[in-house]
Amino acid sequence: EPEVTQTPSHQVTQMGQEVILRCVPISNHLYFYWYRQILGQKVEFLVSFYNNEISEKSEIFDDQFSVERPDGSNFTLKIRSTKLEDSAMYFCASSVGRELDGYTFGSGTRLTVV
Amino acid sequence: KQEVTQIPAALSVPEGENLVLNCSFTDSAIYNLQWFRQDPGKGLTSLLLIQSSQREQTSGRLNASLDKSSGRSTLYIAASQPGDSATYLCAVNYAGKSTFGDGTTLTVKP
Repeated sequence: EPEVTQTPSHQVTQMGQEVILRCVPISNHLYFYWYRQILGQKVEFLVSFYNNEISEKSEIFDDQFSVERPDGSNFTLKIRSTKLEDSAMYFCASSVGRELDGYTFGSGTRLTVV
Repeated sequence: KQEVTQIPAALSVPEGENLVLNCSFTDSAIYNLQWFRQDPGKGLTSLLLIQSSQREQTSGRLNASLDKSSGRSTLYIAASQPGDSATYLCAVNYAGKSTFGDGTTLTVKP
């Protein structure tokens, strides 16, 4: 069964550094998403991406964050100047369409900011 | 703003018992609703997807229902097994994003 692949599985970074989280969505999917889950809290929507541009974003997704699809397979989340409170599990997801299709999630990247 | 609530927060049952997990949402304008399973420290595994026009979906021992007008969904697990122990998340999808509940943490004792 097709999978969404995320790398790395765990990243530790120093406060103030920039990190890039990588995802390979399912190949025939057209919509891509990032979510995060702070330990013990709900899974929260960050951003959706379609046709090489952001289609929706939450209030969490401020200027510190950016997304990119640099080639035909990768989808990245960049976090600039990381803060302690950015420590969370970051999930990438993809879907074929926006209305009728469910989302397939990756296994996540655990980001620890120290 | 969509709010999703799951009850109970935690549930512990003996093996073999049938059980029901509940999910409620405040805005009935949804495209679909998805139930996920999450093991500790792991990703989200999709269990069932119900479209807004559907009333229920079944997969093996799992059955999910949806009453969009009242903002409710239930996940029924038949003949529970220790391997079913996990956190079960409900997510409602609309306009390109999912809103998740806090989850129900299920423990099935052998």
